[in-house]
Amino acid sequence: AQTVTQSQPEMSVQEAETVTLSCTYDTSESDYYLFWYKQPPSRQMILVIRQEAYKQQNATENRFSVNFQKAAKSFSLKISDSQLGDAAMYFCASGGTSYGKLTFGQGTILTVHP
Amino acid sequence: EAEVAQSPRYKITEKSQAVAFWCDPISGHATLYWYRQILGQGPELLVQFQDESVVDDSQLPKDRFSAERLKGVDSTLKIQPAELGDSAMYLCASSLGALGTEAFFGQGTRLTVV
Repeated sequence: AQTVTQSQPEMSVQEAETVTLSCTYDTSESDYYLFWYKQPPSRQMILVIRQEAYKQQNATENRFSVNFQKAAKSFSLKISDSQLGDAAMYFCASGGTSYGKLTFGQGTILTVHP
Repeated sequence: EAEVAQSPRYKITEKSQAVAFWCDPISGHATLYWYRQILGQGPELLVQFQDESVVDDSQLPKDRFSAERLKGVDSTLKIQPAELGDSAMYLCASSLGALGTEAFFGQGTRLTVV
């Protein structure tokens, strides 16, 4: 079984600043992935970044990076140089061996102020 | 760019009526998911298909919900009879199904039961 917890219902950041979204998880899987998905208002959810649990190196995708602490079961997302288009609901998710099934957290609403 | 298609985008129905949602996944994606997302929360898996077979329907309320993917391509999710508590966003997603692969989401169907 997998559980994902996002303890920040809302976060805000000034344009061009850096923000970190928190996520903790629990899983019984020995091999798993962690994901951050972005859901803009009235638009479909899209993948932001993913991390394989076996890889110690933190994943990065342009302005997005993660801090993966496996022992602490923590997986935070850092957004650098925040842009207005980053405003969205962000979901942390875990995926194990079951055909890519995802377990999502409750989400964090990110507001970007100009 | 290939997308997951869902219809209708919005549906208002009276309680006790039947309602159906349709999803056409990205071509070649063997795995198809139906998620339910209550406003302000993360998506929860209802049912997962691998080709035409159900691989996980443990969270599907089987007394009123049914899902099929007869030819292993598009899929229909049905609710009969609808209840007030079924009001939510119903998301369809597809993927190649391997561990760690990206799930691609449709725009969803917003269901309101009155």
